[in-house]
Amino acid sequence: DIQMTQSPSSLSASVGDRVTITCRASQGIRNDLAWYQQKPGKAPKRLMYAASSLQSGVPSRFSGSGSGTEFTLTISSLQPEDSATYYCLQHNNYPPLTFGGGTRVEIK
Amino acid sequence: QVQLVQSGAEVKKPGASVKVSCKASGYTFTNYDINWVRQATGQGLEWVGWMNPKSGNTGSAQKFQGRVTMTRDTSISTAYMELSSLTSEDTAVYYCARCYGDIDYWGQGTLVTVSS
Repeated sequence: DIQMTQSPSSLSASVGDRVTITCRASQGIRNDLAWYQQKPGKAPKRLMYAASSLQSGVPSRFSGSGSGTEFTLTISSLQPEDSATYYCLQHNNYPPLTFGGGTRVEIK
Repeated sequence: QVQLVQSGAEVKKPGASVKVSCKASGYTFTNYDINWVRQATGQGLEWVGWMNPKSGNTGSAQKFQGRVTMTRDTSISTAYMELSSLTSEDTAVYYCARCYGDIDYWGQGTLVTVSS
């Protein structure tokens, strides 16, 4: 099965900072990757799909890039409401689905 | 609008089974797989398994094989996940999710607590 390694596991940044989260796949997955934001007590919400396509309604400060084995989610200017945990999900060889371990983003 | 509405919280004793329902609306139920994902408190997301509502075909992560059963009732656009031989390690929020490639819609989650 494909493994997804997400880093960092947590970060603390200030409002307005640029934040980057990385997911690495154990083998090539083309662009079959999505990113999700989860706030406490809530279901995850999709931010990006196909690695770099922005989900409708998601602010444009979120962007995704990558293909093959390395992917990034970038928040160009961190806002207070972006405090959450972020997960990547690969679906290249579905089933199964494989999630990254998550990145907790805290606002300083 | 697409909605997945799950059944309410459950408390079960070790060794028991639990069955969670997931009612879909706002789309054609048989056109998209339903996947189940769980999350223990303070932990990450863990894929449990999938079901094709049209064919009824299912599959699960190896750690759940033999313990999880996924079914559906297409007449009421509802999917079910039953997990047996529960232990305290099965205490988690269980989500159903619509899948076409990746997951685009999630249910609200069902807390399953296993406690003696």
